[in-house]
Amino acid sequence: NAGVTQTPKFQVLKTGQSMTLQCAQDMNHNSMYWYRQDPGMGLRLIYYSASEGTTDKGEVPNGYNVSRLNKREFSLRLESAAPSQTSVYFCASGTVGEQYFGPGTRLTVT
Amino acid sequence: AQSVTQPDIHITVSEGASLELRCNYSYGATPYLFWYVQSPGQGLQLLLKYFSGDTLVQGIKGFEAEFKRSQSSFNLRKPSVHWSDAAEYFCAVAGAGSYQLTFGKGTKLSVIP
Repeated sequence: NAGVTQTPKFQVLKTGQSMTLQCAQDMNHNSMYWYRQDPGMGLRLIYYSASEGTTDKGEVPNGYNVSRLNKREFSLRLESAAPSQTSVYFCASGTVGEQYFGPGTRLTVT
Repeated sequence: AQSVTQPDIHITVSEGASLELRCNYSYGATPYLFWYVQSPGQGLQLLLKYFSGDTLVQGIKGFEAEFKRSQSSFNLRKPSVHWSDAAEYFCAVAGAGSYQLTFGKGTKLSVIP
C-alpha cells in the first residue's frame, strides 16, 4: 500500500498562474483533507471532504477550490496564485481520530 | 472556537534524558486530543490519541500522554529520549463528530548525543 500520495513534490509558480495539486489514497477512507503548513503556524485546514461527493470549507479556504474526483482522489486548485500561498501543502485521509498524511507539496509563488 | 497552545517552540534534551512537551487546549466540551510527530521533510504521523476513559494513554515509539481536565492540558512524555526522536511535535484537538482538527504551532525537539 502506498498510503497517501501527492503530486508534485515541488512547484514554483508566478503570481497569477494556476495549478492543481493532486492527492490519492489507497486505504478506502471516506474522508480526505487538505492542509497548509507555514513556519511557526502549525497546520491549518483548507478544505475537507467527509465523503465522496461532498466538500466543506476549513479554517483558511480563501483562494482555493477542491474537487473530490472519486473516493480515492481529492485535488486542490489555486486559480490565481498569490505570494501568500507560498507554503507546504499536505493531503490527509482517514477519520478525525486518525489521519494519514501524504509527504507534502512545497509550493513557492514568486 | 477550539484552540491549542504549545508554549515551547524549541526544546533541546540529551539522549537518554526524560522528555515532557506541553500542550494546553481550549474547547467547550470534552475534547478529542492528539499528538502527531513530523520528521524533517515528511508528513505527520499519529503518536497517540485520547477520546475518553483512562487519562493516561500510551502511544507508539514509547510515548505517553496524560489528559488533565482541570488544567486543560495533554502533555506528552517519554522516559528516555533517543536521537531518532528529534522531530517536530504537534498537539491537536477536535470535537466529537467534527471533521476538523485544530493543531498547535508545534514544538521542535533537538537531541544532543
